Amino acid sequence: DAKTTQPNSMESNEEEPVHLPCNHSTISGTDYIHWYRQLPSQGPEYVIHGLTSNVNNRMASLAIAEDRKSSTLILHRATLRDAAVYYCILTGRSDTDKLIFGTGTRLQVFP
Amino acid sequence: EAEVAQSPRYKITEKSQAVAFWCDPISGHATLYWYRQILGQGPELLVQFQDESVVDDSQLPKDRFSAERLKGVDSTLKIQPAELGDSAMYLCASSLDAGGVVVTEAFFGQGTRLTVV
Repeated sequence: DAKTTQPNSMESNEEEPVHLPCNHSTISGTDYIHWYRQLPSQGPEYVIHGLTSNVNNRMASLAIAEDRKSSTLILHRATLRDAAVYYCILTGRSDTDKLIFGTGTRLQVFP
Repeated sequence: EAEVAQSPRYKITEKSQAVAFWCDPISGHATLYWYRQILGQGPELLVQFQDESVVDDSQLPKDRFSAERLKGVDSTLKIQPAELGDSAMYLCASSLDAGGVVVTEAFFGQGTRLTVV
């Protein structure tokens, strides 16, 4: 499984945009980029995923570099409820492909 | 809204005892995952099922852990005997059959927090 690298922690103020980076220099052409987040004392929850083009949904935006070796999860206006650990995960196109979590980025949001 | 159900939410057991966790995935989800999460770390995949078949259990400590999904619906994860180092959160997740296209969104349960004393 291709690996991802994320900063251990980041901080933001409430209502400011947050850009969470992820490096995946060994990504293959068929790997999808997934983001999950885990709020305190809860199981992870899906945030967004993409392949080549930037993606938007109600939770966040995903910006993917042209060479696909990095991506950025964008929270447009951070709230206190966005304080969580954010995981960037690569998965392939096989039935047996797995969600392998790293250590993620712990996001702190200050009022 | 459909969700993955896990029980119990909390379990305290003595070392060398047996313990079991139960997971009921979202209806129609063919793929089921069991993860173990030690405090401060990311979830570690223990076993993945596709319907009733084990797809991957390479990280499952098979001398003491077992997992089954007999009818391809709900699943049980068992530890026997439990050791102090097994204290962790055990998470279950499910997703639709990927069908060889892409791993679809996985839905996680609230987890079972196990404490071995």
